[in-house]
Amino acid sequence: RKEVEQDPGPFNVPEGATVAFNCTYSNSASQSFFWYRQDCRKEPKLLMSVYSSGNEDGRFTAQLNRASQYISLLIRDSKLSDSATYLCVVKSAGNNRKLIWGLGTSLAVNP
Amino acid sequence: DTAVSQTPKYLVTQMGNDKSIKCEQNLGHDTMYWYKQDSKKFLKIMFSYNNKELIINETVPNRFSPKSPDKAHLNLHINSLELGDSAVYFCASSQDSAGYEQFFGPGTRLTVL
Repeated sequence: RKEVEQDPGPFNVPEGATVAFNCTYSNSASQSFFWYRQDCRKEPKLLMSVYSSGNEDGRFTAQLNRASQYISLLIRDSKLSDSATYLCVVKSAGNNRKLIWGLGTSLAVNP
Repeated sequence: DTAVSQTPKYLVTQMGNDKSIKCEQNLGHDTMYWYKQDSKKFLKIMFSYNNKELIINETVPNRFSPKSPDKAHLNLHINSLELGDSAVYFCASSQDSAGYEQFFGPGTRLTVL
C-alpha cells in the first residue's frame, strides 16, 4: 500500500460547483498534513495546512480524520483558476523529517 | 526578487554525459531539498541539507551527488546520465528541517537522449 494515496482524477466540474478530494495515508503515526497545488508545468505551492479540528480558508476547507486516516479538501464555488493538480502531503513520523507526497488529483473547472 | 531559483530551466543532453543543476534561495532558510518528478508526476525527495549538512539521503544512485557550499546554495551533479534520469528536478527550501512549508524553485526539465 502506498504511503499516501489519492484518486488521480481528472475531476471535471462546471464553474460554481463544489468539489471534494480525499487522500488516505498509511502511517497512523503521521504528524502533519498539507494540501499543495501544482499548476501545469509549474512548481508545487502550499495551499493550506490541515489541522485536527479542520480549517477553512475562503472557499477551501480541509478536514482530518485520524481514525480513518484520511484528509479531505473541499472547494466551494469553483473558479476556472482552480484548475490544477492538488497534492496531498503528509509529514512522516520519526526523525527523518520527510514530506511524503501523493500523486495528486487533477481538477479541471469548465466554463 | 525570486525566492528559490534554479539553473538551467531546461537541459537536453546525451546519455553518458555529466551535468550539474544549481539552486539558490534568498529566503534565509536553513534547509534545502532536491526532488525528482517523473513523467507519472510522482514527486520524490532525493536529498535534504540543513545548514550545509546532509540530513536526508534517499535511495538514489550514487551517480547523483549533491553539494551545499553554503546554506543558500544546493547544487546537484549527475554523472553518466541515463535515459531514466529524464524528469523535472525541483529544488526547495524551508525555514528549518521541521519547517512545514516548502518553497519550490521553478524546476529544471532534464531530457536525456
